[in-house]
Amino acid sequence: QQPVQSPQAVILREGEDAVINCSSSKALYSVHWYRQKHGEAPVFLMILLKGGEQKGHEKISASFNEKKQQSSLYLTASQLSYSGTYFCGTVAGGTSYGKLTFGQGTILTVHP
Amino acid sequence: NAGVTQTPKFQVLKTGQSMTLQCAQDMNHNSMYWYRQDPGMGLRLIYYSASEGTTDKGEVPNGYNVSRLNKREFSLRLESAAPSQTSVYFCASSEAAGISANEQFFGPGTRLTVL
Repeated sequence: QQPVQSPQAVILREGEDAVINCSSSKALYSVHWYRQKHGEAPVFLMILLKGGEQKGHEKISASFNEKKQQSSLYLTASQLSYSGTYFCGTVAGGTSYGKLTFGQGTILTVHP
Repeated sequence: NAGVTQTPKFQVLKTGQSMTLQCAQDMNHNSMYWYRQDPGMGLRLIYYSASEGTTDKGEVPNGYNVSRLNKREFSLRLESAAPSQTSVYFCASSEAAGISANEQFFGPGTRLTVL
């Protein structure tokens, strides 16, 4: 089952902050975040692992609430280059072991 | 390093035609994936190969077959294309799949239209 992202779209001015949320109904082992610019391939931002380990870019911050199966991506002091569609991807146990399931995406637009 | 490459970049097929999408990676990754992306649906996993010699179904495998030709190459075949398979197809690779899945590197995509 696909994780649910919120909001579906965000419009910001440069310098403003945004939070993108990702929620799953399954027990998760990890949450991945990717950004995709229009017409391009998704690009990796961060992985958050069960137990607290994180791997990713230093300027990106995120959290993973294992009890609630929720993750949030924090974009602070936004820049024009932050514009794009953000996807969370989840790795769950059981029959979906090892498979990354993506949410529907959140469109972020940053204006000057 | 080229990373992940895909061919072709664009393709138009008629209903019932077959074709193979090619994907290759030069990062010595163990795991490779095929996704399709449709508007409002995000990326959906079609098939993946956790390691050379193995393949497994993803969320939407019907109508597709895959071959892990060697460690570098992973192809996706449409045996009898249908309009519902019109989509953008992305290939990706990572060091490993599984619980501690690493970041995935995506290819530039193939834009397929089935008439």
